[in-house]
Amino acid sequence: ETGVTQSPTHLIKTRGQQVTLRCSSQSGHNTVSWYQQALGQGPQFIFQYYREEENGRGNFPPRFSGLQFPNYSSELNVNALELDDSALYLCASSLDGTGGDNQPQHFGDGTRLSIL
Amino acid sequence: AQKVTQAQTEISVVEKEDVTLDCVYETRDTTYYLFWYKQPPSGELVFLIRRNSFDEQNEISGRYSWNFQKSTSSFNFTITASQVVDSAVYFCALSEGGGANNLFFGTGTRLTVIP
Repeated sequence: ETGVTQSPTHLIKTRGQQVTLRCSSQSGHNTVSWYQQALGQGPQFIFQYYREEENGRGNFPPRFSGLQFPNYSSELNVNALELDDSALYLCASSLDGTGGDNQPQHFGDGTRLSIL
Repeated sequence: AQKVTQAQTEISVVEKEDVTLDCVYETRDTTYYLFWYKQPPSGELVFLIRRNSFDEQNEISGRYSWNFQKSTSSFNFTITASQVVDSAVYFCALSEGGGANNLFFGTGTRLTVIP
């Protein structure tokens, strides 16, 4: 069983640039969630995708956007990068994000994004 | 509004000691789920346990045990006979029933086990 994989591992950008982070979900999982984890903090929910549709969103501005593909992999896009966007971005996959029996989310290793 | 509080920021114990990590949660939902995750230095969050709000049975898995008490809105985690490999940041998280099953995390407890 293949776990959640994220790419790239590390990324350095400058303010104002745009970035795309990628995530492959665990085999059999149809739901992908993205979280932002600032240093020394717990992860904060950005949004969730279920069967290619956004299924919930946290308190993040519209410049954070995403996609989910038919194979359930996902992308997180961030436009107009700001210094405060420096964080570890975690992707998690689970089975069925429709609010049924809330299955555990399984996380990837994350992408560490640094904004200069 | 939902909230998860982990009041212990850092804990250090000597190997083989027992340690309990505290978690207090707030939610208005009657159906919710509680989780514990471990985050080693590599960064990946490792799932440890899920509990739903209707199951207050305590659970034991090897050296790990969990005490869920709805009356005090707590979901505490105990490691018995701690080992150096237990050193990590531990997060308690809450997910509410209905809609997206997103997780609300506490701020984590950094556990250091000293050999």
